[in-house]
Amino acid sequence: GQSLEQPSEVTAVEGAIVQINCTYQTSGFYGLSWYQQHDGGAPTFLSYNGLDGLEETGRFSSFLSRSDSYGYLLLQELQMKDSASYFCAVKDDKIIFGKGTRLHILP
Amino acid sequence: GAGVSQSPSNKVTEKGKDVELRCDPISGHTALYWYRQSLGQGLEFLIYFQGNSAPDKSGLPSDRFSAERTGGSVSTLTIQRTQQEDSAVYLCASSPSGGWAYNEQFFGPGTRLTVL
Repeated sequence: GQSLEQPSEVTAVEGAIVQINCTYQTSGFYGLSWYQQHDGGAPTFLSYNGLDGLEETGRFSSFLSRSDSYGYLLLQELQMKDSASYFCAVKDDKIIFGKGTRLHILP
Repeated sequence: GAGVSQSPSNKVTEKGKDVELRCDPISGHTALYWYRQSLGQGLEFLIYFQGNSAPDKSGLPSDRFSAERTGGSVSTLTIQRTQQEDSAVYLCASSPSGGWAYNEQFFGPGTRLTVL
């Protein structure tokens, strides 16, 4: 079957670095995307990886290894406003979102 | 407006009634998507439009669910004979072109549906 796995919760300290992992199992693959969603808000796009390697956008970076069916989102210099849920998403023959990782940030 | 809009923002209905949810995508965006999100859960894909046609409707949970898009713009999601398990937030997103994985999706604020 098709599935995406990501941790349900991660806790980190303000100013630190945190990595949110995503592993996927799909028969086909058209790229890995990451979205951020604050409580009560709509998801907003963070990044897309179609090829292996690291994509950097400001404090956020995303990595993909297609051979390992694995990717991660890296958040640096954490700020309290980064407290949110983070979703990875993959398109195979069907669009699949992970269940999300809730990021808690401690002062 | 500049973003994706959805209406109504909240809808409370009785079991067995039909409901219509509306999505206005960003002007010029050819691709439109509907998702469903239950409390604390991920996004469940429902249907995808490219223009007025729906190349991927694989996520519609039952034949009580249908969607259409007219003029390559506004889309409506209709749920007939609503059930309590249909209660969720229904999210619409649009993007400038299809092949969603290659393009950023812009989400609307969602419609919170409660079926009593």
